[in-house]
Amino acid sequence: DGGITQSPKYLFRKEGQNVTLSCEQNLNHDAMYWYRQDPGQGLRLIYYSQIVNDFQKGDIAEGYSVSREKKESFPLTVTSAQKNPTAFYLCASTIRSGNTIYFGEGSWLTVV
Amino acid sequence: GENVEQHPSTLSVQEGDSAVIKCTYSDSASNYFPWYKQELGKRPQLIIDIRSNVGEKKDQRIAVTLNKTAKHFSLHITETQPEDSAVYFCAASNSNSGYALNFGKGTSLLVTP
Repeated sequence: DGGITQSPKYLFRKEGQNVTLSCEQNLNHDAMYWYRQDPGQGLRLIYYSQIVNDFQKGDIAEGYSVSREKKESFPLTVTSAQKNPTAFYLCASTIRSGNTIYFGEGSWLTVV
Repeated sequence: GENVEQHPSTLSVQEGDSAVIKCTYSDSASNYFPWYKQELGKRPQLIIDIRSNVGEKKDQRIAVTLNKTAKHFSLHITETQPEDSAVYFCAASNSNSGYALNFGKGTSLLVTP
């Protein structure tokens, strides 16, 4: 867990703005994931990437975009097309698919 | 895709009692079933997991059982303590979605002294 760093921890966004959440891991993990958690709810998958330069949409990808240019980095952009972006965002990674998945500390995004 | 149902949504037990949380999954290809504990405002922490080639796994006061035929798995916590109070999530994964975890909606466990 300590090797997955998310930033910023708290972020405020004005309506109509794009924001990017950073996720960096120094664990040499191959697969990385982004989840969204709404208050009192479970975690929903936004995007995932199993290798560099490749990623797939999860269940709620609309209004989000990602890139995987480096193995250790998987940034998430919340675009203005995401109508209700206020949530807790969690990045996760695993050494390879099918193994234990570890989470970063999360980023709180609030639209003001 | 995979659909994971979790029950109950809230559970209140007295210290020392046992707690059981149950989950069902829909995709028979799922073969990895972890349980996470999440405290308020913090990240989920893995507490135990089980793979489809095993029916039961135990780690001190925590155990997980898996019934592949019925497609359900359960978390058992014995001798509960106040520090067990948290939200618990079950999840299932398979190769169809890169082994991304599909989560249940969580169970809020309260252990009262």
